[in-house]
Amino acid sequence: DQQVKQNSPSLSVQEGRISILNCDYTNSMFDYFLWYKKYPAEGPTFLISISSIKDKNEDGRFTVFLNKSAKHLSLHIVPSQPGDSAVYFCAACNAGGTSYGKLTFGQGTILTVHP
Amino acid sequence: DGGITQSPKYLFRKEGQNVTLSCEQNLNHDAMYWYRQDPGQGLRLIYYSQIVNDFQKGDIAEGYSVSREKKESFPLTVTSAQKNPTAFYLCASSNGGTGELFFGEGSRLTVL
Repeated sequence: DQQVKQNSPSLSVQEGRISILNCDYTNSMFDYFLWYKKYPAEGPTFLISISSIKDKNEDGRFTVFLNKSAKHLSLHIVPSQPGDSAVYFCAACNAGGTSYGKLTFGQGTILTVHP
Repeated sequence: DGGITQSPKYLFRKEGQNVTLSCEQNLNHDAMYWYRQDPGQGLRLIYYSQIVNDFQKGDIAEGYSVSREKKESFPLTVTSAQKNPTAFYLCASSNGGTGELFFGEGSRLTVL
């Protein structure tokens, strides 16, 4: 049972344009969401997060939007740069539960930004 | 520099052999985790430990074992009971404050 889903395996955008990566979840106990970026043969690195008490969080070129009623979140990258080309993972957890820090990951979306 | 060190980076083993992957952190984090990455399946949790001398099974613990004798170390043993051990293994740690995990660079295990 895939509790966190990234339905787009890949996304290709032009440099300078907006990249939108999507993520859906099914577990209503999830209340904290994170995005990670991963280059080949390296570990993922934390990008941005959002708590369920918010619907938007912004950090420079990266903005995460959360729609709790739809159980959907998205990561916007504006403007996209070639160095953003990587695999992006959406992750979720129940921050208030005893398994705090135990993240459930989506399958990942490969972003390619063309110069 | 603070971080997580995984070794070896690449490992080849024959079928039926147990192998142990090392994970060491100097971030003074209480919690440590092992994830497995397979193509198209994202990261799946194998085991996690929130405190020394205690650990819990994750979603795919069968065929794996761990120990947590020191705060800094969380080795993972892939046993011969693991049916499909070839994968990319990632160790992570957290201070539990934000849910943010810090990952090592990973170990790629290939069983021949």
